[in-house]
Amino acid sequence: GGIITQTPKFLIGQEGQKLTLKCQQNFNHDTMYWYRQDSGKGLRLIYYSITENDLQKGDLSEGYDASREKKSSFSLTVTSAQKNEMAVFLCASSMGISNERLFFGHGTKLSVL
Amino acid sequence: TQTVSQSDAHVTVFEGDSVELRCNYSYGGSIYLSWYIQHHGHGLQFLLKYYSGNPVVQGVNGFEAEFSKSDSSFHLRKASVHWSDSAVYFCAVTASGSWQLIFGSGTQLTVMP
Repeated sequence: GGIITQTPKFLIGQEGQKLTLKCQQNFNHDTMYWYRQDSGKGLRLIYYSITENDLQKGDLSEGYDASREKKSSFSLTVTSAQKNEMAVFLCASSMGISNERLFFGHGTKLSVL
Repeated sequence: TQTVSQSDAHVTVFEGDSVELRCNYSYGGSIYLSWYIQHHGHGLQFLLKYYSGNPVVQGVNGFEAEFSKSDSSFHLRKASVHWSDSAVYFCAVTASGSWQLIFGSGTQLTVMP
């Protein structure tokens, strides 16, 4: 079996700061995703990537950048952290298009002071 | 536009009870429907999915879901819940050939001893 590793597990930032979240998978999956999870809401897609060096915007891409330099890794950058922002960012991967099951990491919890 | 609605934010039952978690969707074309479970502090885990064929699909740990085109529903059921089933359950839909999985807002299931 494989695993998705997200680092860091907790991230505390300052308003206006650029913050980077990392995700690694060893499933050898083609497609990777970044979702944002806010309390009481569903997951919202920020970015996804269907192969190395590919980037596709989701519904929530504004304020974020992403990078897929290797098949196994997918990073997300918060370009300017918003004061009092608090959310969990979930990375996922799948074999192909999203009708395949997604495998998720445990998440990075972001708090902005 | 695809939408997914989970009308119950919280459901509380006793151990050994049966439970049904409701999911309704809105989309006119071919879709895949799935359910995921999220235990506290963890990422989501796949439970089951439906595309075509038998409208009742079996998943892990005794969960099953039934697709109804007439009701635009994909409700999740379990005949006898265990305390370890306490978690948040997400229904998700994706259009055939799409890269984007749309999640509902989730239902928190609490199983009392």
